[in-house]
Amino acid sequence: EADIYQTPRYLVIGTGKKITLECSQTMGHDKMYWYQQDPGMELHLIHYSYGVNSTEKGDLSSESTVSRIRTEHFPLTLESARPSHTSQYLCASSGPPGGTKEKLFFGSGTQLSVL
Amino acid sequence: KNQVEQSPQSLIILEGKNCTLQCNYTVSPFSNLRWYKQDTGRGPVSLTIMTFSENTKSNGRYTATLDADTKQSSLHITASQLSDSASYICVVSDRGSTLGRLYFGRGTQLTVWP
Repeated sequence: EADIYQTPRYLVIGTGKKITLECSQTMGHDKMYWYQQDPGMELHLIHYSYGVNSTEKGDLSSESTVSRIRTEHFPLTLESARPSHTSQYLCASSGPPGGTKEKLFFGSGTQLSVL
Repeated sequence: KNQVEQSPQSLIILEGKNCTLQCNYTVSPFSNLRWYKQDTGRGPVSLTIMTFSENTKSNGRYTATLDADTKQSSLHITASQLSDSASYICVVSDRGSTLGRLYFGRGTQLTVWP
């Protein structure tokens, strides 16, 4: 069982609101990721971090931002939510470091609906 | 373009039956291939990880095979149970020294009926 947690599990908000999706892991992993997933579609990487104070944009363009002030915490923020942001957001972390079999652990996800 | 294609898109089987899910990829260079199980509304959970030199890997009733020459993998589920109902995702990594870039398939939605 992975020790990576996401809150909230579900979020319904109105257009224009600022939101923060929380993600925490207790495994001491340096690498953390945010993925976006729509029903029946593949996961798309939107942000990743290889350690404290390190953040990079992923393959899918996103209007969200992330921060990594502490190893265990990797929150994602949307300054002004829009209906196009409606999706499932999955946080993940990987470790132990190195090797081809480095394991990737996912949180349970946040299902975001913007009205 | 690096891609991961899975088939079938969806599958319905009766409890107790076996089934095989397919994954074809064009990712190059190839590092490893992973199968994940994703329950509805949850995050994916790792089932198996196979590198270039591994042809088969088992995890309980789940057995994955890999043919790196033809760039194909399969996931065989034996004696299916109702709890096997989920989406099964094939993921291919393109680098060996780190986790590498991951290419995700769209998944096969498996439904097991009693």
